[in-house]
Amino acid sequence: QKEVEQDPGPLSVPEGAIVSLNCTYSNSAFQYFMWYRQYSRKGPELLMYTYSSGNKEDGRFTAQVDKSSKYISLFIRDSQPSDSATYLCAMSGGSGGGADGLTFGKGTHLIIQP
Amino acid sequence: SAVISQKPSRDICQRGTSLTIQCQVDSQVTMMFWYRQQPGQSLTLIATANQGSEATYESGFVIDKFPISRPNLTFSTLTVSNMSPEDSSIYLCSVGAGFTYTEAFFGQGTRLTVV
Repeated sequence: QKEVEQDPGPLSVPEGAIVSLNCTYSNSAFQYFMWYRQYSRKGPELLMYTYSSGNKEDGRFTAQVDKSSKYISLFIRDSQPSDSATYLCAMSGGSGGGADGLTFGKGTHLIIQP
Repeated sequence: SAVISQKPSRDICQRGTSLTIQCQVDSQVTMMFWYRQQPGQSLTLIATANQGSEATYESGFVIDKFPISRPNLTFSTLTVSNMSPEDSSIYLCSVGAGFTYTEAFFGQGTRLTVV
């Protein structure tokens, strides 16, 4: 079992829909949870960062972390064609925080249909 | 945030040769990381490079194959040595930011094809 599981998709939804992306993980030491967006032929771009369990909202994006279930989610409201990209979950933990690097999911390829 | 420039952006190399990838950051950073992104796979950490110390390699990656330099707080190089087609991948430089270095920023990547 990989440390972080993420459905690679593709996930195709119509413009304006609410998108739900998620990851599960097995390492209970993870404390920091991130979502990255990666456009084709570009490096990953940090979208959301959450520490421990709870919700965090930033504009159209909401990140949720449920450490008891080892499950994290990213919701995108009022999705736009420009949101079409690959979304990567990432996490780290322990006393080193991110100093030991991040563990990534495979990424979900999201397509927003105009 | 940090602006990270990687060179080259892409290259096609012959097997058995080596390629050095450069990573330049627009500010001084303590933690730099090198990742590999193979098709259909997760970003995988190759090594952590801190200025003034030897790079720390993850399981499955060795210094002879992926030597890393970190001469100052704004620059690092990763060399892919004695390349084979299995080394074809995207290589990404990253810097850790924030108090816990968890807010990572990435370069645009180097797309390497070995023929």
